[in-house]
Amino acid sequence: NAGVTQTPKFQVLKTGQSMTLQCAQDMNHNSMYWYRQDPGMGLRLIYYSASEGTTDKGEVPNGYNVSRLNKREFSLRLESAAPSQTSVYFCASRRQGLNEKLFFGSGTQLSVL
Amino acid sequence: AQTVTQSQPEMSVQEAETVTLSCTYDTSESDYYLFWYKQPPSRQMILVIRQEAYKQQNATENRFSVNFQKAAKSFSLKISDSQLGDAAMYFCAYRSAFNNAGNMLTFGGGTRLMVKP
Repeated sequence: NAGVTQTPKFQVLKTGQSMTLQCAQDMNHNSMYWYRQDPGMGLRLIYYSASEGTTDKGEVPNGYNVSRLNKREFSLRLESAAPSQTSVYFCASRRQGLNEKLFFGSGTQLSVL
Repeated sequence: AQTVTQSQPEMSVQEAETVTLSCTYDTSESDYYLFWYKQPPSRQMILVIRQEAYKQQNATENRFSVNFQKAAKSFSLKISDSQLGDAAMYFCAYRSAFNNAGNMLTFGGGTRLMVKP
């Protein structure tokens, strides 16, 4: 079982460069999420998609855009990277119901110089 | 908005001993879910335990148990018989029972647990 696949694992950008983080899940989940993790602040929600075709802002959406390409894929784009976006990024999908659970990707360590 | 606070940035425990990690949260809602996630050095996020607010009984999963105090808005994690593999970051998280904001989780800042052999 692949679960949630997130690429790349590491990335270094210069200020102003753009990039897209890719995420795909093979569990047929409706809801998908992008979080960023910073020391002492836990994980904060950037954007989420409650179902295919819908996306909404989370707690810290500024500087990011997302695309829910289909039910499997949910990408995060940085149009003009800034040093404040240096972080570890996690994609997740949610299994609903009695055995609710978030499944996380392995994370992307992003450094913006 | 809900907030989750983990007041212990770091904790240490001797192997085979018991340790308790603290978590408090702030909410005006009466129905919600609480979680503990473990993040080892591999960065993978692993669900440890889940508690529904409407349940009086504290959740347990093998060596992991919680002390859920709804009135005090406290949700601590107890790890018994600590093992070297328990060393990790632990995150407490809250989710509203209402279908809002995509059922997002709100996380605390984390507690780094070190296990001494």
